[in-house]
Amino acid sequence: GAVVSQHPSWVICKSGTSVKIECRSLDFQATTMFWYRQFPKQSLMLMATSNEGSKATYEQGVEKDKFLINHASLTLSTLTVTSAHPEDSSFYICSASTTGGETQYFGPGTRLLVL
Amino acid sequence: GQNIDQPTEMTATEGAIVQINCTYQTSGFNGLFWYQQHAGEAPTFLSYNVLDGLEEKGRFSSFLSRSKGYSYLLLKELQMKDSASYLCAGHHGSSNTGKLIFGQGTTLQVKP
Repeated sequence: GAVVSQHPSWVICKSGTSVKIECRSLDFQATTMFWYRQFPKQSLMLMATSNEGSKATYEQGVEKDKFLINHASLTLSTLTVTSAHPEDSSFYICSASTTGGETQYFGPGTRLLVL
Repeated sequence: GQNIDQPTEMTATEGAIVQINCTYQTSGFNGLFWYQQHAGEAPTFLSYNVLDGLEEKGRFSSFLSRSKGYSYLLLKELQMKDSASYLCAGHHGSSNTGKLIFGQGTTLQVKP
């Protein structure tokens, strides 16, 4: 149980384009999902908390207009990196918790390379 | 403020025991997680300590002292596949809506 998937697993795009990453909870409903970014040899940095049916809560320093989050249903959250630049190249990971649980289960991650 | 510290790198020998420490200074802290992350992969859950004391789970054990702001992950009978990064993370806020604040991660290398 508690399986989280992400799509795509990797993406290469040109600078200036937008990229959408999907995060799905496969066998449970998640009212809250989390989006992290991880640069090489660094730890995970929380970008935002995605809330089903309401606006996402962004961490300090994360541009909400650049990283659009939509939590369309209890099993799906999407992160759109708008007008991507090379410095946005990173490993993006989502996580979700089961209802009433603290443990976050992570998706397999999406590796983004912006040329 | 939130501050979680753990050593950057550790090396140990196959079959040995290794202890990875984590200290934290946070407000609104609920409990502490340990995750394992292999290179290029997402983190996998190892343990979650809310109460003080030691919790054992097979070859892995985790300890928490809330009064000292200290935790450790103990790995016994090390295997080569244990070479990975180990992340400690403090949990803040309400149960499933609370967020995790991660330490920098400890890269463990297990040698034959």
